[in-house]
Amino acid sequence: DVKVTQSSRYLVKRTGEKVFLECVQDMDHENMFWYRQDPGLGLRLIYFSYDVKMKEKGDIPEGYSVSREKKERFSLILESASTNQTSMYLCASSGAGTGAYNEQFFGPGTRLTVL
Amino acid sequence: AQSVAQPEDQVNVAEGNPLTVKCTYSVSGNPYLFWYVQYPNRGLQFLLKYITGDNLVKGSYGFEAEFNKSQTSFHLKKPSALVSDSALYFCAVRADRGSTLGRLYFGRGTQLTVWP
Repeated sequence: DVKVTQSSRYLVKRTGEKVFLECVQDMDHENMFWYRQDPGLGLRLIYFSYDVKMKEKGDIPEGYSVSREKKERFSLILESASTNQTSMYLCASSGAGTGAYNEQFFGPGTRLTVL
Repeated sequence: AQSVAQPEDQVNVAEGNPLTVKCTYSVSGNPYLFWYVQYPNRGLQFLLKYITGDNLVKGSYGFEAEFNKSQTSFHLKKPSALVSDSALYFCAVRADRGSTLGRLYFGRGTQLTVWP
């Protein structure tokens, strides 16, 4: 089974803290994605990556950065957490190449609360 | 630009009755379409996808979806709903061309409630 794991299920941080959310996949997928999910807004794409050390901005990159030093790991960084970043964060991965229509596989999510 | 609309925030249906969760899309080129389900405090689980071929696609847990190109729709259906089907459902579309080949565009989700 494809497995996407996220470092924490629940996280509480204070305003101004630097926050790291880690995501690891075990299927050798090229593509990795970070979304945030808020009630009534669905999933919004923050950043994605097609390869190691490559990244592209999604729809709401402001206040976030990412790092992909290894193929299996994709980190989301909140440089200075703010209360409006309280949300559910979902990581996903998918294969590439001729299987460009491959579905994305999701992790269990990290519910982040910024106080 | 790619986009997905799920016109109903909530769908309520009695157990044993058929259910439909609606989805319409807009995409440049041919669409690849997906349905996902999310149970409380969980990540999204893949249900089914349409790439090409038969317009009726069968997926997990007895769900199916019908692709209609003229109406740009991809409605999710199940002949007989179960209480355990109660969850949040997301429709997503991907374009078959362009620089953002890998990303999905999601609808806002439809909360399905099946009552006993």
